[in-house]
Amino acid sequence: DTAVSQTPKYLVTQMGNDKSIKCEQNLGHDTMYWYKQDSKKFLKIMFSYNNKELIINETVPNRFSPKSPDKAHLNLHINSLELGDSAVYFCASGGGGPRGEQFFGPGTRLTVL
Amino acid sequence: GDSVTQMEGPVTLSEEAFLTINCTYTATGYPSLFWYVQYPGEGLQLLLKATKADDKGSNKGFEATYRKETTSFHLEKGSVQVSDSAVYFCALGGGNQGGKLIFGQGTELSVKP
Repeated sequence: DTAVSQTPKYLVTQMGNDKSIKCEQNLGHDTMYWYKQDSKKFLKIMFSYNNKELIINETVPNRFSPKSPDKAHLNLHINSLELGDSAVYFCASGGGGPRGEQFFGPGTRLTVL
Repeated sequence: GDSVTQMEGPVTLSEEAFLTINCTYTATGYPSLFWYVQYPGEGLQLLLKATKADDKGSNKGFEATYRKETTSFHLEKGSVQVSDSAVYFCALGGGNQGGKLIFGQGTELSVKP
């Protein structure tokens, strides 16, 4: 019954590798998001998709590429991982328009060694 | 651009103490305001929201009132419990931000028995 789910929960990898994080929502929302939480717990938007179309791309390096196969899924692929990519990545979904609330997944803790 | 400022933590209280976490915002347009809570090792949960001036959001004994005149959305609870220990995030959505949430820096609350 999980509303927004992400896999994996933990991801430990070496610099230079490529990795993906998957996100799925069963809330029927049209819009999905990726946020990054840094080591000081600050949260910042990375991307937003509305019904499979990219609508927000917030000055994220092009090593990060989101992909939305359908409106219930939004995956994040990261190429050539760097130490600074270590963070917790949260997927979220929202259906209440630009002023509505968003519902967050449990997060993926990425550690780049 | 739009922004959210929260009081710095950590905040340490004894059980049954009164809690206030200050939040002020800068925004153009008419944003919605939210409080999210993050328990250790978990994702963000929506705690409460307010969508227009003078609205009061409330949930689980927590309250916050959308004050346009002071651009504030302070979180209060009359009697905190050890189980309220978490990081609390104030956020705004909408305005001119096209659907993304803009978060404050988070305030860590620790409640001692």
